[in-house]
Amino acid sequence: DVKVTQSSRYLVKRTGEKVFLECVQDMDHENMFWYRQDPGLGLRLIYFSYDVKMKEKGDIPEGYSVSREKKERFSLILESASTNQTSMYLCASRRTGTGYNEKLFFGSGTQLSVL
Amino acid sequence: AQSVTQPDIHITVSEGASLELRCNYSYGATPYLFWYVQSPGQGLQLLLKYFSGDTLVQGIKGFEAEFKRSQSSFNLRKPSVHWSDAAEYFCAVVPSGSARQLTFGSGTQLTVLP
Repeated sequence: DVKVTQSSRYLVKRTGEKVFLECVQDMDHENMFWYRQDPGLGLRLIYFSYDVKMKEKGDIPEGYSVSREKKERFSLILESASTNQTSMYLCASRRTGTGYNEKLFFGSGTQLSVL
Repeated sequence: AQSVTQPDIHITVSEGASLELRCNYSYGATPYLFWYVQSPGQGLQLLLKYFSGDTLVQGIKGFEAEFKRSQSSFNLRKPSVHWSDAAEYFCAVVPSGSARQLTFGSGTQLTVLP
């Protein structure tokens, strides 16, 4: 069965800390995504990656960066965490397939609290 | 502006009752349309998708959705709801022929009463 694994289910950090959120997929997918989920706002795309060492900004990239050194791993980095980054973070992956109609596979999410 | 709207934040139905969750989009051309479900503590799972052709799409877990071009809608339905259907439901779109990624609606939380 396909699997997208996020390293932490819950994370508590302090303002100003550097935070790493890790995501690993075992499906050999080319595309990986980071979303944040907030009540009433749905999911918003932060960054995505089409391939190793490639990255593209999503709709809300400010305050975040990403790293994709290996195909299976996509890391989200908060360089200096702030309280407004308290949120649920969801990682997803997708094979390239025939286009943008391929379905996304999601991890279970990381609930990040920044104090 | 292009967008996807789920007008109902929260819906409550009794087990065995029928269900309809609304989704409207505003794009120039018909986009690719999706419904995802998120059970408590879980990531999102694809229920169904529409690209073209038959406007009534069947999905997993007994769900279906109907695309109505004239109303710019893609409503999700189920004839008889089960307690295990309690979850949050997200409509999502990708403008057809576009390089943009999925845009999600704000979600509808479904509560099922016994």
